[in-house]
Amino acid sequence: RKEVEQDPGPFNVPEGATVAFNCTYSNSASQSFFWYRQDCRKEPKLLMSVYSSGNEDGRFTAQLNRASQYISLLIRDSKLSDSATYLCAVNTGNQFYFGTGTSLTVIP
Amino acid sequence: EPEVTQTPSHQVTQMGQEVILRCVPISNHLYFYWYRQILGQKVEFLVSFYNNEISEKSEIFDDQFSVERPDGSNFTLKIRSTKLEDSAMYFCASRGGGFISGNTIYFGEGSWLTVV
Repeated sequence: RKEVEQDPGPFNVPEGATVAFNCTYSNSASQSFFWYRQDCRKEPKLLMSVYSSGNEDGRFTAQLNRASQYISLLIRDSKLSDSATYLCAVNTGNQFYFGTGTSLTVIP
Repeated sequence: EPEVTQTPSHQVTQMGQEVILRCVPISNHLYFYWYRQILGQKVEFLVSFYNNEISEKSEIFDDQFSVERPDGSNFTLKIRSTKLEDSAMYFCASRGGGFISGNTIYFGEGSWLTVV
């Protein structure tokens, strides 16, 4: 069973749309959760950490549901510059497991 | 902002040759990682390193791979005898390990390895 499962997409949305990504994780002992953004042939960059209480950073909202073992990322009012691959990451012990990434293309 | 730095950014090598990829993690970070990403595929864990020894490694990290922290700042990945399927982007990453902010992992820009 994979540690982290993520819908690879692709998601093609018009500018201004709201888009949501989900990730599920298998280990209930996982302690920290993150969303990363990866541009083509670049390194993953931390977008935001994910907390049970939910957290928001501008147009981005991340949520953690420990009971169902999933994390989500909501992007509102999407911009062309949001086009990228979004990776969820789960920290279990000293290990970080990444999802396959969800590809987002925002269309003018 | 402190960052993880990696060299070289791109290396082309012949099959069977040895390759060393270098990384300078963020100063005062305690945990170090190597990941790889084959073009178009997911980021895959190779190895983690803490307190001058390997703490975990994946099935990918077989006997042809080794890691070292030779001088307290560099963290290297050596591939002894490269195969065509080793062609990938190799990312070094580090994290602090502190209670409040130590659970975030930061990546270097990657070393793109092409084996021909």
